[in-house]
Amino acid sequence: DQQVKQNSPSLSVQEGRISILNCDYTNSMFDYFLWYKKYPAEGPTFLISISSIKDKNEDGRFTVFLNKSAKHLSLHIVPSQPGDSAVYFCAAREITSGTYKYIFGTGTRLKVLA
Amino acid sequence: DAGVTQSPTHLIKTRGQQVTLRCSPKSGHDTVSWYQQALGQGPQFIFQYYEEEERQRGNFPDRFSGHQFPNYSSELNVNALLLGDSALYLCASSGARVLKETQYFGPGTRLLVL
Repeated sequence: DQQVKQNSPSLSVQEGRISILNCDYTNSMFDYFLWYKKYPAEGPTFLISISSIKDKNEDGRFTVFLNKSAKHLSLHIVPSQPGDSAVYFCAAREITSGTYKYIFGTGTRLKVLA
Repeated sequence: DAGVTQSPTHLIKTRGQQVTLRCSPKSGHDTVSWYQQALGQGPQFIFQYYEEEERQRGNFPDRFSGHQFPNYSSELNVNALLLGDSALYLCASSGARVLKETQYFGPGTRLLVL
C-alpha cells in the first residue's frame, strides 16, 4: 500500500529542455511535500518544498506544482543540465499526534543528455 | 556549519550478528529520523527520536532499536541480522520546534549482511 508513488522509474531529457518529474499520493492529510535529489553513494539532498496550502513554489531552475484535488505534484527543471542527472525522490509529510514522518516515493532516475 | 554525519560509511556483517550505526545531526537540529533504503526503493521510515525518546515508528520489527543522546546524536541498533537487512541506512535531522523545517540527510551507512 504505497501512499506516495512515482510511476516513472526513469526519464531522459535533452540538455536545455524542461524536465518534468511526477508524483502522486493517496493521503489527503499530507500537509507538506519535498523533493530530494540523490547521487550514487550520497545521501538525498533537499531541493525544494511546498506546503499543501500553496499550489506553486519556485527556486531558481526548480519549480514544484501541487494539485491537491488530483493529489498530484510535479517538479519542473528548466533548463535541464547534465549535472541534474540523478535519482529524484518526492516525499510527503504526515503529522500524527503532534509528531511527523516523511513517506517517500520510489524515485525517478533522470538522465540529462548533453 | 557541519551537516549530518554518519558512521561508519560501510559495514559488512554476517547473519545473526548485531550492528550499531551512528548519526550526528546538523547543527541546531534536535530531531533525528532513521530510514532504510533498499536497492531500487525509496527511503523507508524506521523511527524518529526527539528529546531522547522514540516519537514515531514505522513498520519495522523490534530488532530495530535506537537511542538519542543529550547532544541530539543518535544510534540505530539492529539485532539478529538477516540477509534482507542489507541496505543503505540514512539518518536525517530536523528541528521539531518549527514544524516546517525540512529534513536533511547524511551520506548514509551501507550495510551488507552475508
